Amino acid sequence: GAVVSQHPSWVICKSGTSVKIECRSLDFQATTMFWYRQFPKQSLMLMATSNEGSKATYEQGVEKDKFLINHASLTLSTLTVTSAHPEDSSFYICSASIRSGQGGGIYGYTFGSGTRLTVV
Amino acid sequence: AQSVTQLDSQVPVFEEAPVELRCNYSSSVSVYLFWYVQYPNQGLQLLLKYLSGSTLVKGINGFEAEFNKSQTSFHLRKPSVHISDTAEYFCAVRVTGGGNKLTFGTGTQLKVEL
Repeated sequence: GAVVSQHPSWVICKSGTSVKIECRSLDFQATTMFWYRQFPKQSLMLMATSNEGSKATYEQGVEKDKFLINHASLTLSTLTVTSAHPEDSSFYICSASIRSGQGGGIYGYTFGSGTRLTVV
Repeated sequence: AQSVTQLDSQVPVFEEAPVELRCNYSSSVSVYLFWYVQYPNQGLQLLLKYLSGSTLVKGINGFEAEFNKSQTSFHLRKPSVHISDTAEYFCAVRVTGGGNKLTFGTGTQLKVEL
């Protein structure tokens, strides 16, 4: 249980275009979704936290106008990289918190399989 | 603010040998601790977690970890590794009341050799 499906697994786009990454919770309701960025051989850096139906909270240094996050439903969150440039090339991973029942405490996290973005 | 330190960036080990991957955290409040494994170009898979209770936690694939509050450590161990254990391992901490965010260590690359 508690599976997050992330698509696409990899994408190549031209500089200046926008790319949308989707994360869907398949068998649970993801009230909170986290978006991470990972550079080669480095750790995961949290970009933003989104709660269903409200605006995302971005970490310091992350451009909210460049990395648009939408969490309009309990089963879908999207990250759109706008006007992508080569320096945006990275591995992006989403994660959802898992609660013990409705309104229960968080007891874990499940991760998507990641999206390799290459901007050329 | 909390932080997580994984002291070893790379750990080479021979197959069937024991291994310990070290993780230390800094926090003045209660924490939840996690170990994840990541294979190339994939997301993270949970190995084990400590939320409360017994300080010795057993996870999948024969891994275990021990929460040591006095030493603020949560080292990961396996008595006998296999080639398939070659991967990147991340320790993570969530501070209670800290907004539900996970803070990750820098990762340890475990390389199992024949």
